[in-house]
Amino acid sequence: DAGVTQSPTHLIKTRGQQVTLRCSPKSGHDTVSWYQQALGQGPQFIFQYYEEEERQRGNFPDRFSGHQFPNYSSELNVNALLLGDSALYLCASSFGLQPQHFGDGTRLSIL
Amino acid sequence: EDKVVQSPLSLVVHEGDTVTLNCSYEVTNFRSLLWYKQEKKAPTFLFMLTSSGIEKKSGRLSSILDKKELFSILNITATQTGDSAIYLCAVEASLGNYQLIWGAGTKLIIKP
Repeated sequence: DAGVTQSPTHLIKTRGQQVTLRCSPKSGHDTVSWYQQALGQGPQFIFQYYEEEERQRGNFPDRFSGHQFPNYSSELNVNALLLGDSALYLCASSFGLQPQHFGDGTRLSIL
Repeated sequence: EDKVVQSPLSLVVHEGDTVTLNCSYEVTNFRSLLWYKQEKKAPTFLFMLTSSGIEKKSGRLSSILDKKELFSILNITATQTGDSAIYLCAVEASLGNYQLIWGAGTKLIIKP
């Protein structure tokens, strides 16, 4: 039973560029949430997708956008990258009221 | 503003010791509290707590919630070096608010 998978594992970009991160949820899960985790901190909620719609959004600017596909997989897009966007980006999937399960994340470094 | 505070931020103990990690919260319309263990990358789920006073147990790990005093503890007995990790606490608000609100984590180091 495949868990949550994220790609790529690592990514290096320069300021001003755009990036797309991908997530495949655990089998049987229909909800995908994205988090940003800076070094030494807990994850910060970016947004959650359910039924291909953004269901809730955290305190992140419009540069952060996402998408969910009919097979429940999801993408996170970040435009006009800033140095402060360097972080571990975690995807979590869930079904109903069950706990979220996390992928290994994408480590994004901005130079 | 909703917040979750964990203490201590870091802890170093010897193998075989027992540790207690703390998580306090202030959240509007609390629904559940979750504990996760994060080693290198993915946080892995440990416990979900919704009711006060009911201990959840898994091997050497156990956790309990106090909804009156707004805190939870995670106990690890007979610690092993493999328990070294960051332990994260997160709180879910009521239905309609889907985000998890996270503490900063407790970094636990177990010395052999």
